Amino acid sequence: AQSVTQPDIHITVSEGASLELRCNYSYGATPYLFWYVQSPGQGLQLLLKYFSGDTLVQGIKGFEAEFKRSQSSFNLRKPSVHWSDAAEYFCAVAFYNQGGKLIFGQGTELSVKP
Amino acid sequence: DTAVSQTPKYLVTQMGNDKSIKCEQNLGHDTMYWYKQDSKKFLKIMFSYNNKELIINETVPNRFSPKSPDKAHLNLHINSLELGDSAVYFCASSQEGFNTGELFFGEGSRLTVL
Repeated sequence: AQSVTQPDIHITVSEGASLELRCNYSYGATPYLFWYVQSPGQGLQLLLKYFSGDTLVQGIKGFEAEFKRSQSSFNLRKPSVHWSDAAEYFCAVAFYNQGGKLIFGQGTELSVKP
Repeated sequence: DTAVSQTPKYLVTQMGNDKSIKCEQNLGHDTMYWYKQDSKKFLKIMFSYNNKELIINETVPNRFSPKSPDKAHLNLHINSLELGDSAVYFCASSQEGFNTGELFFGEGSRLTVL
C-alpha cells in the first residue's frame, strides 16, 4: 500500500539554526511529492512540490527539498530557521490521474527556541 | 479575497444531530475536495468532485453526504453525528491538481460532537 512516513513527530531547533525534516514514501513508481505547512488554526499552505526534473526544488519562505529516488525520500531543509517557521509540516504524495488524492504523512511539529 | 472559504469555522453540536459545512472557492478550479484531520493531525481524503461529478469517495460512512451545486461550491452534510466525527474538516480545490495533487486548502472547520 502507498504510504508516507515522517519519522519525527516533534522537532525543536534554535532560531537561526538549520533544519531538516525527513520524509519517506513507499511506492514502486515516483510519485508527485509535496510539502505543506499548517500554522496553528490555519489551513495547509503549499511550500514546494516535485514533479520531475531537478531533484532539488526551491519553495517559498526559504525552504528547499531534495528528492532521492534511491532512498525514496523527500527531505525538507532550511538553512536558518525563523521563529515564524514554528508550525506543523506535512509531507504528501500523489499519483498521476488519481483525482488529486493526496496521501499525507503524520506530520512533524516544529518548535523554534529563541 | 479568501481563495477557499469554509463556514462555519467552529461547530459544536450534540450527538445525533445533523449539520452541514459549506465551502466555496473563487479560484475558478474544476475540482474540490473534503479532507478530515483527526485529533492526531492525520489528514485523510473523504471526497473529491470534478465539475460537480463525484470522483473520489473513500471509505466514509454514508451519514456523510457531499453536495456540489456548482463547481465553485462543495458542501458536506453529516447526519446522525457521532462522537468520532469530531475533527477538523478541510475543503480544498485544484486545477492541475486533479492530475498531480497540488491543492489549495481552506482554513478548516472544527467540528466538536458532545
